[in-house]
Order: sequence, then structure tokens, then C-alpha cells
Amino acid sequence: GQNIDQPTEMTATEGAIVQINCTYQTSGFNGLFWYQQHAGEAPTFLSYNVLDGLEEKGRFSSFLSRSKGYSYLLLKELQMKDSASYLCAVRDNSGNTPLVFGKGTRLSVIA
Amino acid sequence: DGGITQSPKYLFRKEGQNVTLSCEQNLNHDAMYWYRQDPGQGLRLIYYSQIVNDFQKGDIAEGYSVSREKKESFPLTVTSAQKNPTAFYLCASSKVRHTGELFFGEGSRLTVL
Repeated sequence: GQNIDQPTEMTATEGAIVQINCTYQTSGFNGLFWYQQHAGEAPTFLSYNVLDGLEEKGRFSSFLSRSKGYSYLLLKELQMKDSASYLCAVRDNSGNTPLVFGKGTRLSVIA
Repeated sequence: DGGITQSPKYLFRKEGQNVTLSCEQNLNHDAMYWYRQDPGQGLRLIYYSQIVNDFQKGDIAEGYSVSREKKESFPLTVTSAQKNPTAFYLCASSKVRHTGELFFGEGSRLTVL
């Protein structure tokens, strides 16, 4: 089975930096994904990590440690439009299972 | 433009009625998926299909049915056997089966009265 944990809610100030953590337990591992979802809309792909380390993409970065079963999404220079849910998802390479999603972290950016 | 189209966006139905949600993609993707989203529950997998005329149950398939007669289309029927059908339904596709980068439709919000 798979278990993915991330905080339910976070609040941060405009212009600041926020880190959203995700821990996972899977029988196999073949990649971790972060998606952004604004309320009432479809999720959109943010990042993909399959090897240990940091992947940077503009204001967003994602980190993976496979040995610790741990990832984080780092958002810099927060903007009000970053208020959304952030979904962590894992691909399990044991068998042909699709992505499994965590419950998401709802981020509120305040002035 | 290529993409995934779900319809209808909003749907109201009476209890006991079957409902079919449409999902069409013109991305030439092999795999298609249906997820359900409830508040505080994240995305839960209902059914997925890796190839035409084949599909697999996900974690919460009871009360749902699907078909994959064409590569572009993967409709979901919410049957009267589904005990709590009111939810936000998301269809997604990916180019090669299980690559992980899912492309999502805009979702269908079903409310059963």
C-alpha cells in the first residue's frame, strides 16, 4: 500500500518563502510530483523528482530524498495568486498503478 | 488547441438516477483516468485505462462504470449504486502509460439532490 502525508493548511505572507513538506511510504518508487490546484479548478503540473536533490523552476523548487521518503516544495517571493492547494503525488513502480495523491495542502497567502 | 474536455461542468440529478460524465482528449494520449475529489480527501482514483477496450478498477470503483471504445473518449457513469455521488470529478490523461505527468480536464461537479 501507499501512504502520503502533507500538512492540511498553511498560511504565509506575501513576499515571503514557504516550504510545504510531503512524506511518503510506498512499496516501490518511481517519481514524485507536485501539482497546484486553485479552488474549483483542475490541478496543474508543477514539478517532478525521481533522483535525490533539488529541482528549481523559477520561484518554485522541489526537493527529494528517497532514503527518507521525503520531499518539499519551496515557493519563493510569494504572491497572492499562489493561494491554492498543493498536491503531492507518488508513482509506484511495483505493478502498474497510476499516481497516488496526498490530501493536499491549502496555502493561504496574506498581505 | 489540444486538451481534455469534460462535460457537463455542473450537473444536478435526483437520487437513484444514473449519470454519465463525458471526457474527451485530442492529445493522442494512451492512458486516461477518472479521479474523485471531496473536501479534505485529495484525489482518489476511480478507474483508469491504459489502452482501448481495456480498463482497471481504482481504489473506489464501486458504484461506477466506464468504457474505452475509442482512444479519445473515456466516459464515466455514476450509477444509482454509488452511495454518496455528490463530488467533483476529474478526468486526466497521460502520453505513455503511467509516466505521471497527468493533464487534467476542468472537472465536472455533480450534485445529487
